[in-house]
Amino acid sequence: EAQVTQNPRYLITVTGKKLTVTCSQNMNHEYMSWYRQDPGLGLRQIYYSMNVEVTDKGDVPEGYKVSRKEKRNFPLILESPSPNQTSLYFCASSRGGDGYTFGSGTRLTVV
Amino acid sequence: AQSVSQHNHHVILSEAASLELGCNYSYGGTVNLFWYVQYPGQHLQLLLKYFSGDPLVKGIKGFEAEFIKSKFSFNLRKPSVQWSDTAEYFCAVNAPGGFKTIFGAGTRLFVKA
Repeated sequence: EAQVTQNPRYLITVTGKKLTVTCSQNMNHEYMSWYRQDPGLGLRQIYYSMNVEVTDKGDVPEGYKVSRKEKRNFPLILESPSPNQTSLYFCASSRGGDGYTFGSGTRLTVV
Repeated sequence: AQSVSQHNHHVILSEAASLELGCNYSYGGTVNLFWYVQYPGQHLQLLLKYFSGDPLVKGIKGFEAEFIKSKFSFNLRKPSVQWSDTAEYFCAVNAPGGFKTIFGAGTRLFVKA
C-alpha cells in the first residue's frame, strides 16, 4: 500500500530535550515536506526537500532541522524543543508538483 | 506575498443542502490548485486538483471545483452534502513543477443529520 509513515503518533516531551520525528514513504517520490498544523492557521510549511541531499526552508523553519540522506526518509529534528512547538505535525510526499500524500500526523506536546 | 484565503472558517449545513466553499489565491503566474479534506482525527487527503484544461474539475465523493482565473478563485462545491462530509477542508496552491505548496487556513464544515 502506498503510504507515508510517521512515528511516533503522539509525543510528550520536556523543554530542551532533543527529539526526532521520523517520516518514510514507499512511493519513490522525489519531494517531501514537513508541515505543522495549528488551529486557525492552517498548515504552515517547515522544511521541504526536492531530492536526496537537497533541502530548503519553508515558512516557519526556526527551531527545526531536517535531513534527506535517502530518498524514502525525511526526519524532522527538534534540537531543543520549546512549548511554542507544541503542534500537530504532518509529513507529506509527492511526485513533483502533484498532490500530496500525507502521513497520519504526530501530535507533539512540549511541557 | 503568495497567499491563500478561505473566506468561511466555519460552515454549518443540514443534510441535502448545497455546499460552496470559497478560496482565493494570490500567486504570480500559472498555478496548480488543490482541495484537501481532513476528517476528524485523520490526516489530509486529496479531494481534487486542477493543473490545466477544463476549469471545472471533478473529484472524489461528488465534489467539484471551478477555477476562475480572472477572479483568482477555486471554489469547492457539492450539490447535496451528507453527514459524513463533516470535516475540515483546505485549499492549496503551488506553481507548476514547484515545490512550495501554500495552504489556506481551512474551513470547518459541520453537517447536521
